[in-house]
Amino acid sequence: EAQVTQNPRYLITVTGKKLTVTCSQNMNHEYMSWYRQDPGLGLRQIYYSMNVEVTDKGDVPEGYKVSRKEKRNFPLILESPSPNQTSLYFCASRWQTHTGELFFGEGSRLTVL
Amino acid sequence: GENVEQHPSTLSVQEGDSAVIKCTYSDSASNYFPWYKQELGKRPQLIIDIRSNVGEKKDQRIAVTLNKTAKHFSLHITETQPEDSAVYFCAALNYGGSQGNLIFGKGTKLSVKP
Repeated sequence: EAQVTQNPRYLITVTGKKLTVTCSQNMNHEYMSWYRQDPGLGLRQIYYSMNVEVTDKGDVPEGYKVSRKEKRNFPLILESPSPNQTSLYFCASRWQTHTGELFFGEGSRLTVL
Repeated sequence: GENVEQHPSTLSVQEGDSAVIKCTYSDSASNYFPWYKQELGKRPQLIIDIRSNVGEKKDQRIAVTLNKTAKHFSLHITETQPEDSAVYFCAALNYGGSQGNLIFGKGTKLSVKP
């Protein structure tokens, strides 16, 4: 089954404790992206990747890191989480062609105390 | 860069009525405009899209129209049903220096009352 898998789905952590949210897709998509969703602010892009070893900042990259060592994986790293990073995070992927459907993961709800 | 404005932020209709959600975009180079539906507690999913060489596209009860001159596009849902209740996001593809990065509007929460 074609899917984008995120882990963990839910996480409560404390300020400053490094964490990684993993994202994996099995559709051989070149493009992958991370979004955060906050009430009233819609889907804001954090980072995206056009292919292996190619990443770029989105609209709200501060406090986040990503890597794309393999085509299928695109982890989101919070080196020192802060309460303002409490949010619902979505990973998404699609083919490189510009008009391809974007497939979203199920989301990861992160709470930073 | 591209900026997408979406209105209204909330919309409440009676079952069977029509619903219209409007979006404007700023980058005249954008040429792909998808709409995503997000049901409560679920992920966004593509419901319909339109390319800039087409003025209108329909799929059963939903349709999207595009006015390139005015740089706006709209989602039309006819004969609304309770299962249409969700948050709807419009998006535009920003070619610019980002080689095709989707920019989303802030979303419209549609409530369909039985």
